[in-house]
Amino acid sequence: GAGVSQSPSNKVTEKGKDVELRCDPISGHTALYWYRQSLGQGLEFLIYFQGNSAPDKSGLPSDRFSAERTGGSVSTLTIQRTQQEDSAVYLCASSLAWRSDTQYFGPGTRLTVL
Amino acid sequence: SQQGEEDPQALSIQEGENATMNCSYKTSINNLQWYRQNSGRGLVHLILIRSNEREKHSGRLRVTLDTSKKSSSLLITASRAADTASYFCATEPNTGNQFYFGTGTSLTVIP
Repeated sequence: GAGVSQSPSNKVTEKGKDVELRCDPISGHTALYWYRQSLGQGLEFLIYFQGNSAPDKSGLPSDRFSAERTGGSVSTLTIQRTQQEDSAVYLCASSLAWRSDTQYFGPGTRLTVL
Repeated sequence: SQQGEEDPQALSIQEGENATMNCSYKTSINNLQWYRQNSGRGLVHLILIRSNEREKHSGRLRVTLDTSKKSSSLLITASRAADTASYFCATEPNTGNQFYFGTGTSLTVIP
C-alpha cells in the first residue's frame, strides 16, 4: 500500500465499552508499533510486533489493553472496559526491519471516551 | 518519565531565521531520530543519526549528536512558515524493546 492506514479515524464511545482499533502497515514491513499520544503530550510506546509476535507487552498501560497481528500484516489494538483516561490519539507505525530503521506513521485514531 | 526531553517546549521565530531544538536522553542508545508532527496526527520521519555519528545533514536540516552529554540538536536553517509543527526526538536504547519519544518542541514560524 501507499502508506500506513488506520481505522477508524475517530471513535467516540461510552465508558465501559470495548473498542477495537485497526492498523494496516506498509506492505512488506515486518515491524509494527503502537503508540498513544494524549493531548499536548509526547508519544507513549505501547507495544511492537516482529512478524506476528509481540516479544514485550510491558508497555501496555493495563490488562484491559491487548493487541494482535495476523498474517504478518494487519494489527488490532483492543481496549476493554474503556475508561475516560484512555482518551487519546492512538498511532500505529511500521518499518521494514526491527530497530535502526525509519518508522512510517499512520494518521492515528482519535479515541474519545465519554 | 520518558527517555527524551526536548528543549525548548515552544519556539516562535520569524521566517528566514534559524530554529534550534535540543533533545536530552538518559541511557545509551543505538540511534536517535527526529520526527515532525502536524496537527496532532501522524508523524513524519526527518532524519536518523547513529550512535557512532556526530553530525548529519538533510537539506535545511542539521542534526548533531553528543553521546558523552546524551544530547542531540536539530537545526532548521532559513525557516519557512510551512516548518510550523511539533518536532520530536526518539531514542532507541541499546537494550530493551522500547522506543522513547520526547515531549516535543512546538515551532511556530511567523511569515
